[in-house]
Amino acid sequence: DAGVTQSPTHLIKTRGQQVTLRCSPKSGHDTVSWYQQALGQGPQFIFQYYEEEERQRGNFPDRFSGHQFPNYSSELNVNALLLGDSALYLCASSLRTGRDLTDTQYFGPGTRLTVL
Amino acid sequence: DAKTTQPNSMESNEEEPVHLPCNHSTISGTDYIHWYRQLPSQGPEYVIHGLTSNVNNRMASLAIAEDRKSSTLILHRATLRDAAVYYCILRDVRAGNQFYFGTGTSLTVIP
Repeated sequence: DAGVTQSPTHLIKTRGQQVTLRCSPKSGHDTVSWYQQALGQGPQFIFQYYEEEERQRGNFPDRFSGHQFPNYSSELNVNALLLGDSALYLCASSLRTGRDLTDTQYFGPGTRLTVL
Repeated sequence: DAKTTQPNSMESNEEEPVHLPCNHSTISGTDYIHWYRQLPSQGPEYVIHGLTSNVNNRMASLAIAEDRKSSTLILHRATLRDAAVYYCILRDVRAGNQFYFGTGTSLTVIP
C-alpha cells in the first residue's frame, strides 16, 4: 500500500517564477492538506482540499493556490516566488469520512523548494 | 494558532524511558491531543492521539492529565531511531482537520 507521494523531491527556482508541486494521497484517502515548513520551524498549514474544493485555509497570501483532481491527487501552485518561499512543502492525506473523527493525517516526504 | 508549549530539546540514554511533556492550558472540551514526530529529512509521522483517557499503542503511551491542561508522551525504551522532533498538537474537531504545529521538542538519544 503506497503512502503519500510527492514530486518533485527538490526544486530550484528564481524570484518571480511560478512553481507547481504535486501530491498523491495514501490509497483510500480523500482529503489533502498542504503545509509549509521553513528551516528549524514546525509545519504551517496552507490549505486543505476535499471533494475538489478548498475547504480551509491558513494565513497564506493568494499567491498560493491549489487544486484537487477527481482521483484525489492535488497540486500546490505558488506564483511570483519570493526568497521567503524557500521551504519544505509537505502534503498530508486523511480520510474525512472515516470512523476516526480525528482524521489522522499521513504526511509525504515533502518537496524542498529553493528560491534564488 | 499553536496552542501548545513544549521544551525545545531533551536528551535520553538509549534503552531508557523518555517522558516528553506538553502544556496546553487553553484546551477546549472538543480538542484532541495529537503527537507526531519528524525524523531528519522526512515528513511528520503519526505517533498517538487521545481525548481524555490515557492511550497506548505499539509506538508509545500518552498520559493525559485529569484537567487535560497537560499531557506526556512516553517512549518506553528509547532507541537511536527515536531521535526526532516531537510535536504536540491540539486539534478541534469542530474547526476542521488542519493541524497547527508548534516548534516541537528535539529529542537526542545518547548511545
